[in-house]
Amino acid sequence: AQSVTQLGSHVSVSEGALVLLRCNYSSSVPPYLFWYVQYPNQGLQLLLKYTTGATLVKGINGFEAEFKKSETSFHLTKPSAHMSDAAEYFCAVSDYGGSQGNLIFGKGTKLSVKP
Amino acid sequence: GAGVSQSPSNKVTEKGKDVELRCDPISGHTALYWYRQSLGQGLEFLIYFQGNSAPDKSGLPSDRFSAERTGGSVSTLTIQRTQQEDSAVYLCASSLGQGLPGELFFGEGSRLTVL
Repeated sequence: AQSVTQLGSHVSVSEGALVLLRCNYSSSVPPYLFWYVQYPNQGLQLLLKYTTGATLVKGINGFEAEFKKSETSFHLTKPSAHMSDAAEYFCAVSDYGGSQGNLIFGKGTKLSVKP
Repeated sequence: GAGVSQSPSNKVTEKGKDVELRCDPISGHTALYWYRQSLGQGLEFLIYFQGNSAPDKSGLPSDRFSAERTGGSVSTLTIQRTQQEDSAVYLCASSLGQGLPGELFFGEGSRLTVL
């Protein structure tokens, strides 16, 4: 069965600093991986996804993630944090064993950005 | 509408009452998902619809929970005899539902508080 682990329920960075949000997955088949962002009182929206091909994936708002099969990781990074990046971030893996298109989500990492 | 619409946005109810939560997906999206988001618990999958049928009901936490979808569009999640542990944000998402796992489009959620 697929699963996702996000290290750190809370991450705090200073404005302009590197953002690194960690995600490790477990999957018995080549995974499809996703990062979603949730701003306060809003639904989730897709930041980026990896399906096949290039392992470095670029998303919206300057975020990117690299699929590393050997490390079973899909960490999310951004070179320079903005105040507007403060939100909760969810890593997800496709659920091959369940519903088509369903995703298994991690517990989320709340990102705070200090001025 | 342009996005996934959920109602009510907030619902406060007394323990033991029944509640209905509604989801109106993006037009043309055949797949519809319900998730529950509790504080610190990430997103918990509840149920998935492909068209009007629900091939995967494995996530429903108890027989007090049920869902239906009519006309391949609007879905209703019903919780009978609500309990305090049912308090959470209930998120609905839709997708094209074809082929490879793709992007899920989320509504803003219905926040349920059971007193």
